[in-house]
Amino acid sequence: GIQVEQSPPDLILQEGANSTLRCNFSDSVNNLQWFHQNPWGQLINLFYIPSGTKQNGRLSATTVATERYSLLYISSSQTTDSGVYFCAVGDAGGTSYGKLTFGQGTILTVHP
Amino acid sequence: EPEVTQTPSHQVTQMGQEVILRCVPISNHLYFYWYRQILGQKVEFLVSFYNNEISEKSEIFDDQFSVERPDGSNFTLKIRSTKLEDSAMYFCASSDRRGGKTQYFGPGTRLLVL
Repeated sequence: GIQVEQSPPDLILQEGANSTLRCNFSDSVNNLQWFHQNPWGQLINLFYIPSGTKQNGRLSATTVATERYSLLYISSSQTTDSGVYFCAVGDAGGTSYGKLTFGQGTILTVHP
Repeated sequence: EPEVTQTPSHQVTQMGQEVILRCVPISNHLYFYWYRQILGQKVEFLVSFYNNEISEKSEIFDDQFSVERPDGSNFTLKIRSTKLEDSAMYFCASSDRRGGKTQYFGPGTRLLVL
């Protein structure tokens, strides 16, 4: 099946710093979603971005499908950005019924 | 904005007991999914469901698991005889397309098997 690797595994920032999280995937995708898992365990949908670039406030994401990677940018980080960030992809292969394969996540800690 | 809901938010059960986790997907969605996340690990796919039948399942989804859409709104995951290793957060998700469209996740049910 498709493989998803996220880097870095851990990231520690001071409030106000910028960061870039990376997601590499091993095959063509028809879905790519970035999630933030909050301290209560909820998965908050950040972006649906199988290709192209999107921005939402301090967050933006870019997926280069031909090179099989996606980047999540967080600018002017805040303590509330802390948590685990997951990348999840849907295999574009014909046998898939839309299941998402998740990466291991990046644990982000933002200190005040 | 429509959202996926799940009940209960937390459940504690004894090993060997049956549990039913409930989900209400977004109303016009046709594709439904269950995922689980063991504490500290990544989220794993369990099963997808479309047109009142399982369309795909993972190796985790063995005979102890079953899914059902008992009416037009609910989608359930049943674990017949729980094991300690079933302790996890269980997420329901739904989409209006098989692939290439956003999957919306519910808030999860945290299951603890003692």
